[in-house]
Amino acid sequence: QKEVEQNSGPLSVPEGAIASLNCTYSDRGSQSFFWYRQYSGKSPELIMSIYSNGDKEDGRFTAQLNKASQYVSLLIRDSQPSDSATYLCAVRGGGFKTIFGAGTRLFVKA
Amino acid sequence: GAGVSQSPSNKVTEKGKDVELRCDPISGHTALYWYRQSLGQGLEFLIYFQGNSAPDKSGLPSDRFSAERTGGSVSTLTIQRTQQEDSAVYLCASSLVWAGGDGYTFGSGTRLTVV
Repeated sequence: QKEVEQNSGPLSVPEGAIASLNCTYSDRGSQSFFWYRQYSGKSPELIMSIYSNGDKEDGRFTAQLNKASQYVSLLIRDSQPSDSATYLCAVRGGGFKTIFGAGTRLFVKA
Repeated sequence: GAGVSQSPSNKVTEKGKDVELRCDPISGHTALYWYRQSLGQGLEFLIYFQGNSAPDKSGLPSDRFSAERTGGSVSTLTIQRTQQEDSAVYLCASSLVWAGGDGYTFGSGTRLTVV
């Protein structure tokens, strides 16, 4: 079992719709959770971080964390073509190492 | 500097040669990380440095890989006797704090091609 699992996609949504990206992790001791966006040929950039159960909203983005289910999600409201990218889920345990999922490719159709 | 700087941006080398990849983190960031990303794949952890502590080398794939960080700032990743499977984008990242919830700031990466 991979430490951080994501559906590779591609996930295709129409412009203006809600995109839902999901991630599960195996280490119950994980404490910090992140979502990165990576455009093709570019480096990952941090878009959201979440540390406690529940929802965290930042503009059009909402991160959701459920530690009991070992599940993290990212919702993108009013999706735009510029949101088309690969979204990487990342999880940090009690130490310093952050484990990344393989990413979900998102396409937003105009 | 304003961001994480990596050099070279691209490196083509012959199989069996040694290569050095450089990373200059954001000024004041005490933690520095190396990852690599093969085409279409996720990020594979290689090594991290935190201040003057011993580095975590648990992700280095073989003894051909080594890294150092001088003066708590610039880091060099060295790959000896390169193999074709070493071809990937090598990403360096830094963060301000070593514990807690800080995410990383990544450099633009070094694309290594071993021919």
